[in-house]
Order: sequence, then structure tokens, then C-alpha cells
Amino acid sequence: KQEVTQIPAALSVPEGENLVLNCSFTDSAIYNLQWFRQDPGKGLTSLLLIQSSQREQTSGRLNASLDKSSGRSTLYIAASQPGDSATYLCAANDYKLSFGAGTTVTVRA
Amino acid sequence: DVKVTQSSRYLVKRTGEKVFLECVQDMDHENMFWYRQDPGLGLRLIYFSYDVKMKEKGDIPEGYSVSREKKERFSLILESASTNQTSMYLCASSSMGDRGVSNSPLHFGNGTRLTVT
Repeated sequence: KQEVTQIPAALSVPEGENLVLNCSFTDSAIYNLQWFRQDPGKGLTSLLLIQSSQREQTSGRLNASLDKSSGRSTLYIAASQPGDSATYLCAANDYKLSFGAGTTVTVRA
Repeated sequence: DVKVTQSSRYLVKRTGEKVFLECVQDMDHENMFWYRQDPGLGLRLIYFSYDVKMKEKGDIPEGYSVSREKKERFSLILESASTNQTSMYLCASSSMGDRGVSNSPLHFGNGTRLTVT
């Protein structure tokens, strides 16, 4: 059974600092890995999807890397802003998506 | 933009009631999913469907059933609601790639917060 872990569970940084969020998964036989953002009381919003054949994906200030062999993905958010405050979840897709518990980010103005 | 609409944001039901949660997507996606989200337990898959009238059990199907009569609509049914089914329920959809795997991002609705008293 796929197990997905996100460390740390929470992170607080001053505005302008770069964010590094980690995701690890136990079974490397995945089709893709997805990163989501969740605001309090809301559903999840897709940020990036990395196919198993890719090493990274970029969208604006966001960059996600994937190392399948070591079972790791990292989400980088450059020059953080207070509006980036949210919970970030990763999900490994090995036919069904398995979600991590998320990292709650607070960006202080 | 993909829109996934869940019919209710908040629901309060009594123990033993039959509860229907409705979800509609407007992007002609083959795959639809129902998750529940609980503090400390994260998102857990209840059921998913990859085609009309097709369904597969997720990790926690006990106490739930689903219906997919039309491609755009996926319903979650709590046959006899219990207090341990108090939770946030999230519906999602995606398009299907080879071998039935979701090859596109999951799009989520805003969730239904269900309280069973």
C-alpha cells in the first residue's frame, strides 16, 4: 500500500523567503505525482502534475521536482507572499491517488 | 475552466437517515471520485468511477454506496447515516489516460461538510 509522507507538518516564514516543501512516497511505481493547495474550509486546487517520465514542472513561482527512484518530490515556491499561506498536499498516483497529510504554510507579512 | 459542483456546502442529518451527496462536473471527464477528509487522517478515497455505471471501491467503502447514471454526475449515498460519518466530503474528477489511469490533474469541488447528530 502506498504511503505518502509530508514533512514538516507546518512551516512559518517571513514574506519574500523561498519555500521548500517535501513529499516522500514508498512505492516508486507511480504514473504521476500531483501537488495541490487547500485553503481553510475549501476543496483542493491543483498546482502541478509531474508525469513519471519527467524530472520537474514549473508554473510561475512554483517548481516541482520528482525523483522516482528515491521516492521523493519537492515543491519550491519562490519569493513567498502572504497569499501563499495555505495547506499544500502531494498525491502519488499508482492507479489510485494516495495523499499526504499536508504541510500548512504561514507567510508572515 | 473545469467546474466540479457539489450540491450542498453544509448538511445536518440525523442518525439512521439516508443521505445523498450530489456532484456534477462540466468537463466530460471519465473519472470521478469521492473522498472524505478528517483532521489527522487526511484524504481517504471512498469510491471512484471510470465510466457510467462503473464503480470501484476505494480504501473506506463501508457504509457508503455510489451511483453514476450519467457521465457528468456522481452521487454518494450514506445508506444509514452514523455519527462517525461526520466529515468533509470532497468530490473530484479527471480525464482518463491509458489503462484507466488519471493522466490529468484532479479537479475538486468545494466540499460538503456533513454533520450527523
